[in-house]
Amino acid sequence: DQQVKQNSPSLSVQEGRISILNCDYTNSMFDYFLWYKKYPAEGPTFLISISSIKDKNEDGRFTVFLNKSAKHLSLHIVPSQPGDSAVYFCAARDNYGQNFVFGPGTRLSVLP
Amino acid sequence: DARVTQTPRDKVTEMGQEVTMRCQPILGHNTVFWYRQTMMQGLELLAYFRNRAPLDDSGMPKDRFSAEMPDATLATLKIQPSEPRDSAVYFCASGREIGELFFGEGSRLTVL
Repeated sequence: DQQVKQNSPSLSVQEGRISILNCDYTNSMFDYFLWYKKYPAEGPTFLISISSIKDKNEDGRFTVFLNKSAKHLSLHIVPSQPGDSAVYFCAARDNYGQNFVFGPGTRLSVLP
Repeated sequence: DARVTQTPRDKVTEMGQEVTMRCQPILGHNTVFWYRQTMMQGLELLAYFRNRAPLDDSGMPKDRFSAEMPDATLATLKIQPSEPRDSAVYFCASGREIGELFFGEGSRLTVL
């Protein structure tokens, strides 16, 4: 039973356009959400996070939106660059056990 | 430049052999996580520790896997005996009580 879902295994976007990666969760005890980026043969690296008390957090080209009522979050990358091509993992932390649960990932390809 | 260090980076072994993976968390971090990356499940939690105490190892096959933190600078994940289905990339991550996790570069295990 996946608590964090990323229903799109892959996404292709043209360079300069917006990339939107989606994530859904089922556990209402999650209070902190993160996005990680992973290149081949490397470990995941932290990208951006959002607390459950906010609905938006922005850092340069990256913005994360949280819709608690829908248990949905999304990562927007504007403008997309070829170097953004990677696997993106959505993660959530529960406020009880402090465990981090990851989604299965979405592979983003930004085409030049 | 603080980082999580994992050894070995690559390990090829035969079925039935013992495998030990090691992780040095970032100094000052008090939580350590072990994840396994598979194609279907993404990042699957195996075990995690807080202040060296195991908090959750429910994701780990107990009959063959074991995880320990002999001291604050070393976490180990042992598989005995190893099986071909254990072939995967194993990641260690560390963090503080709040904030994001920092991942190592992973240990790629191949069991023949």
